[in-house]
Amino acid sequence: SQTIHQWPATLVQPVGSPLSLECTVEGTSNPNLYWYRQAAGRGLQLLFYSVGIGQISSEVPQNLSASRPQDRQFILSSKKLLLSDSGFYLCATTGGMYEQYFGPGTRLTVT
Amino acid sequence: EDQVTQSPEALRLQEGESSSLNCSYTVSGLRGLFWYRQDPGKGPEFLFTLYSAGEEKEKERLKATLTKKESFLHITAPKPEDSATYLCAVQGGSEKLVFGKGTKLTVNP
Repeated sequence: SQTIHQWPATLVQPVGSPLSLECTVEGTSNPNLYWYRQAAGRGLQLLFYSVGIGQISSEVPQNLSASRPQDRQFILSSKKLLLSDSGFYLCATTGGMYEQYFGPGTRLTVT
Repeated sequence: EDQVTQSPEALRLQEGESSSLNCSYTVSGLRGLFWYRQDPGKGPEFLFTLYSAGEEKEKERLKATLTKKESFLHITAPKPEDSATYLCAVQGGSEKLVFGKGTKLTVNP
């Protein structure tokens, strides 16, 4: 079975600072990978997804970017954080039949 | 555009008091409807996938059903440990999951 790791678990960053969140997956090869954001009172919002190394699709125009430097590594970045970037960031991968499995998440607070 | 609406937003039950959560959806070409459980501060935990109308899945005190327009998550004789937010999602032709906002369930002892 696959395991998803995310770090850091929590992060407090000032407005205008850079961001790097990392997701790694064990127990599978060439996985589809996803970044979601969950804000208070809102559903899970898909931000980026990747079907392979260097292949990134963006769902929402925003202050964030994603990269996939290795098969099982997915990185979410920002050059300058905004207050509106605060939220719970989740990495996910697909299972055998369309379902997605989520990591433990990173709680980001921008101050 | 695929859409998912969950109701109620919040539900309080007494231990042993059975009830149902609703997930209404519109999707072009349903590939699957998914139920997740999410505990505070944690990532969603996969529960069920339903693929076609009439299908049912069960796990312990939970039973999920599916029609052409909605899904129900029935909770039988809930316990306090069933307290969580339950998320519903659909996947259509775009292969992306679209989530509802969830139902926060509280089960009091």
